[in-house]
Amino acid sequence: QQPVQSPQAVILREGEDAVINCSSSKALYSVHWYRQKHGEAPVFLMILLKGGEQKGHEKISASFNEKKQQSSLYLTASQLSYSGTYFCGTERGAGSYQLTFGKGTKLSVIP
Amino acid sequence: DSGVTQTPKHLITATGQRVTLRCSPRSGDLSVYWYQQSLDQGLQFLIQYYNGEERAKGNILERFSAQQFPDLHSELNLSSLELGDSALYFCASSWSGGDTGELFFGEGSRLTVL
Repeated sequence: QQPVQSPQAVILREGEDAVINCSSSKALYSVHWYRQKHGEAPVFLMILLKGGEQKGHEKISASFNEKKQQSSLYLTASQLSYSGTYFCGTERGAGSYQLTFGKGTKLSVIP
Repeated sequence: DSGVTQTPKHLITATGQRVTLRCSPRSGDLSVYWYQQSLDQGLQFLIQYYNGEERAKGNILERFSAQQFPDLHSELNLSSLELGDSALYFCASSWSGGDTGELFFGEGSRLTVL
């Protein structure tokens, strides 16, 4: 089942913060985050396993609340290079081997 | 450069035709994934192979088939093409034989069906 991302799109000025949410109606084993710039392939950001851990990648971090089946991606002090479409991917169980992506959140950072 | 190679980059064909998309994974990666990306549906998981064996199947149409060869490259065959099959098809590879790890995506094959 495809996870639901919100918002669908967001426009930020450089230096502003943003939060992108990913939720599922089913129990999740892991959440994966990718960023895709226009005309390019998706690029891996991070994986979060159930356990509520939070991970960071420079000024981009994420959390995973397995009880709520939700994950959030936090972008702080956004830079122009953060522009792109962010996808969350979810796995429902260990060994499912199927990573199902949401429809994406388009982030535009303007000067 | 992710190390994943997809050919062709662009393909234009007519309805009813058949095409083959090819993917060479990163050196050492045993898992290959195929995704279809269209504007309204995002990245749709089609199928995954691990070391030559089909491991997971998603929303792949019966008109589509795939295989992974002993040299680990993979091919996605699309037949009886319809206008709605026009999309960007991504291949991704991973070293992981267990849980899905980091996926390395190729640049995609853009299919246009006229």
